[in-house]
Amino acid sequence: NAGVTQTPKFQVLKTGQSMTLQCAQDMNHEYMSWYRQDPGMGLRLIHYSVGAGITDQGEVPNGYNVSRSTTEDFPLRLLSAAPSQTSVYFCASSPGALTTEAFFGQGTRLTVV
Amino acid sequence: AQSVAQPEDQVNVAEGNPLTVKCTYSVSGNPYLFWYVQYPNRGLQFLLKYITGDNLVKGSYGFEAEFNKSQTSFHLKKPSALVSDSALYFCAVRGSHSGGYNKLIFGAGTRLAVHP
Repeated sequence: NAGVTQTPKFQVLKTGQSMTLQCAQDMNHEYMSWYRQDPGMGLRLIHYSVGAGITDQGEVPNGYNVSRSTTEDFPLRLLSAAPSQTSVYFCASSPGALTTEAFFGQGTRLTVV
Repeated sequence: AQSVAQPEDQVNVAEGNPLTVKCTYSVSGNPYLFWYVQYPNRGLQFLLKYITGDNLVKGSYGFEAEFNKSQTSFHLKKPSALVSDSALYFCAVRGSHSGGYNKLIFGAGTRLAVHP
C-alpha cells in the first residue's frame, strides 16, 4: 500500500535551472496539494487540485507550475530555480470531503545554490 | 481568513509527566481541526481530528485533544509523555464554508522534547 509517493527525495539545483518534483497517489483521492515547509513557518500551500484537469493557486504560488492530467499524478514544476526556493516540499492527497485528513508523502528536500 | 497559531516554538517535558501542546485558530464557519506529527526526515502523520460532537477526541499513540469553542482552541494532550514522543507537532484547520476549495491551513509547528 504505497499511499503518496514523492520523487526525488533529495535534489540540488543551480540557480536558473528547472525541474519537476513528482507526486503520485494510489488511493483514488480527488484532492491533491503541494506544500513547502520552512523553519518557523509551518507548511504553506503552493498549489492544489480538486480533480483531474482542475488546479488553483495557494498562498505561495510564484515560481511554480502544476498540472493534473490524471487522478493519480500531480507534478510540481520549478520554472527557474532561485535560492529562495530552497525548502522541503510535501505533496498531500485527501478524498475530498471537508472532514477527512490529508495523507502526506515523505517529502523532497531541495537545495538551490 | 483562516489562521492557526501555535504559541510555543518548543515544549520541554520530563518522561512520565503530562504534556500539552497549544493551538488556537480562526476560521469561517465551523472548524474542522487536525493534529499531525512529524518525525525527523519524515512526512506528516495524522494523529487525530475534531469534526463535531464530544469536545475531547482521542487519537493515535495515546494522544488526545480538547476542543474549546469559546476560546477557539484545540490543545493536544497526553497524560504521560514518552521519550519517543519527541517530534514536531502541527495543528491544522479547515473551515466549513461552502463554495470553493476549503484549504487545510497549518500552524508553524511546536517541537516537543521529552527528557528521560
